[in-house]
Amino acid sequence: DIVMTQTPLSSPVTLGQPASISCRSSQSLLHSDGKTYLSWLLQRPGQPPRLLIYEISNRFSGVPDRFSGSGAGTDFTLKISRVEAEDVGVYYCMQATQFPRTFGQGTKVEVK
Amino acid sequence: EVQLLESGGGLVQPGGSLRLSCAASGFAFSSYAMTWVRQAPGKGLEWVSTIGGLGTFYADSVKGRFTTSRDNSKNTLYLKMNNLRAEDTALYYCVKGLALLDYWGQGTLVTVSS
Repeated sequence: DIVMTQTPLSSPVTLGQPASISCRSSQSLLHSDGKTYLSWLLQRPGQPPRLLIYEISNRFSGVPDRFSGSGAGTDFTLKISRVEAEDVGVYYCMQATQFPRTFGQGTKVEVK
Repeated sequence: EVQLLESGGGLVQPGGSLRLSCAASGFAFSSYAMTWVRQAPGKGLEWVSTIGGLGTFYADSVKGRFTTSRDNSKNTLYLKMNNLRAEDTALYYCVKGLALLDYWGQGTLVTVSS
């Protein structure tokens, strides 16, 4: 199974300041079809997760452009250019390159 | 608007069974793979199963005990859970997608306890 490791696990942030989360996979997420199936999801308190970013860097419909994803192979990063109050929650990376799908442990983003 | 509505959760004794349902609307259900993801209380996300054109896949932790199926005429996804264990206690989410999990239901809570 591919192990997904996120850092940090907790990130106190100041509103209006940038934030960054890293995700590392135990093996390359490059699929034989040429795509890399790495997604980022946000779970706000009391809510189901929602998709933010797919295939490393593609923002899902309705996701603000302050969210961006980057990386390749085994190392990936989610960046928030300026954190807003609605960005608070737990962020998960997920790989869908192979079964079983696996998630990172989650990174809790909270306001300082 | 895509909607996924799970039902069927509840309290069950260890060794018991439950069947979860997920009613889908707002998209061409039969054309998409569907996935179950669960979340134990206070824990992270765990993939459970995916059903699609490539077949049906299961996490090792549920293989042989859980069965995923779908009725495309009813736009409904199912998860039949047998021989339930305490560690199956979780909120079970129905999710649209195979690699891109783009829409999530609100979840249905399964509690396994005597």
